[in-house]
Amino acid sequence: GQQVMQIPQYQHVQEGEDFTTYCNSSTTLSNIQWYKQRPGGHPVFLIQLVKSGEVKKQKRLTFQFGEAKKNSSLHITATQTTDVGTYFCAAQSNFGNEKLTFGTGTRLTIIP
Amino acid sequence: GAGVSQTPSNKVTEKGKYVELRCDPISGHTALYWYRQSLGQGPEFLIYFQGTGAADDSGLPNDRFFAVRPEGSVSTLKIQRTERGDSAVYLCASSLTRGRSPLHFGNGTRLTVT
Repeated sequence: GQQVMQIPQYQHVQEGEDFTTYCNSSTTLSNIQWYKQRPGGHPVFLIQLVKSGEVKKQKRLTFQFGEAKKNSSLHITATQTTDVGTYFCAAQSNFGNEKLTFGTGTRLTIIP
Repeated sequence: GAGVSQTPSNKVTEKGKYVELRCDPISGHTALYWYRQSLGQGPEFLIYFQGTGAADDSGLPNDRFFAVRPEGSVSTLKIQRTERGDSAVYLCASSLTRGRSPLHFGNGTRLTVT
């Protein structure tokens, strides 16, 4: 079945440093979504990418979908303590199948 | 407005018992998903409903797991003959339409099988 891998598994950064997590799929994707899960919380939707090569920004967060639609990345500029949590990508392989497969996640901790 | 509601928030049961987990989606959301999340892992897909029917149940691990959504709103995940390996947080999510819609998750039910 479809596999969605994320690297790194963990990332510890000093407050103010940048952070990037990468998401890779074994199959070509219809679209990809990103979620954030705070410690003890549930996943919360951040954004969806649909088009090949698409780039979207939300304040300090930049999301990118690969040209081949098999990978994606999330980059956070100048991290803040509020960015702490686990970031998941979630992939949909084709439009006919609504199953959303979540990646393994990257857990971000911030050193104040 | 109200979000996705899951009850109970915590459930402790003995090995071999039967449990039911309930999910009340956001009003008007036609799609409903069940996921299972173990500590340090990503949510693992179990089943997806579009309306009353299970559109994809390929994630159910075995025939001890069953889910229903009889009126296209509230859903119940049923686990028979629970095993210790079933211990996890069971997450329910709903979305407005099928395909390419953001999932809105509930707070989950933490199931512990002793």
